[in-house]
Amino acid sequence: DAMVIQNPRYQVTQFGKPVTLSCSQTLNHNVMYWYQQKSSQAPKLLFHYYDKDFNNEADTPDNFQSRRPNTSFCFLDIRSPGLGDAAMYLCATSPFNQPQHFGDGTRLSIL
Amino acid sequence: DQQVKQNSPSLSVQEGRISILNCDYTNSMFDYFLWYKKYPAEGPTFLISISSIKDKNEDGRFTVFLNKSAKHLSLHIVPSQPGDSAVYFCAASANTGTASKLTFGTGTRLQVTL
Repeated sequence: DAMVIQNPRYQVTQFGKPVTLSCSQTLNHNVMYWYQQKSSQAPKLLFHYYDKDFNNEADTPDNFQSRRPNTSFCFLDIRSPGLGDAAMYLCATSPFNQPQHFGDGTRLSIL
Repeated sequence: DQQVKQNSPSLSVQEGRISILNCDYTNSMFDYFLWYKKYPAEGPTFLISISSIKDKNEDGRFTVFLNKSAKHLSLHIVPSQPGDSAVYFCAASANTGTASKLTFGTGTRLQVTL
């Protein structure tokens, strides 16, 4: 019954090797968000899509990109992962101005 | 520069008693506040919210209080149950016009003991 699905749950990549994290939703929400959460820290918004309009947070590193090919899917691309990018990545969706629904996250490890 | 602060990393409460989780914020532009609950290996789940035009919102065992002058909100859980044991995140939102972008606190781990 999962409504926001993140794949994979665990991802290991090598330092500098591009990696893509996936998020899909069955809720038909027009807003999708990506958050980064490091250990014992607050989830931090990286960017969001309102329909196809992309909105980047000012302090999101250029290394992080996103794609939303359709309403259901959104991808997070990390072009050249560094050790500091190891974190839990959370995807969320919402209708406009409503509480966000989160997926269970992808834990990214960098070797 | 944390705009949303949860100063208690953990809280332990006996079953049946009241749990009070606190949250402070610094940004006057925040107009909507939410509490999320998170179990291990799962994503945060929305629990309850309050608009800045109200000072209290109640949903069953959960009540959120907002004190705008003090920039403080609290979540009360009465009575506490073992299934309430989780990490609770406070979040605040300032409407951007396209989405409600959330700023989270670092969370409080609640342990409800028998």
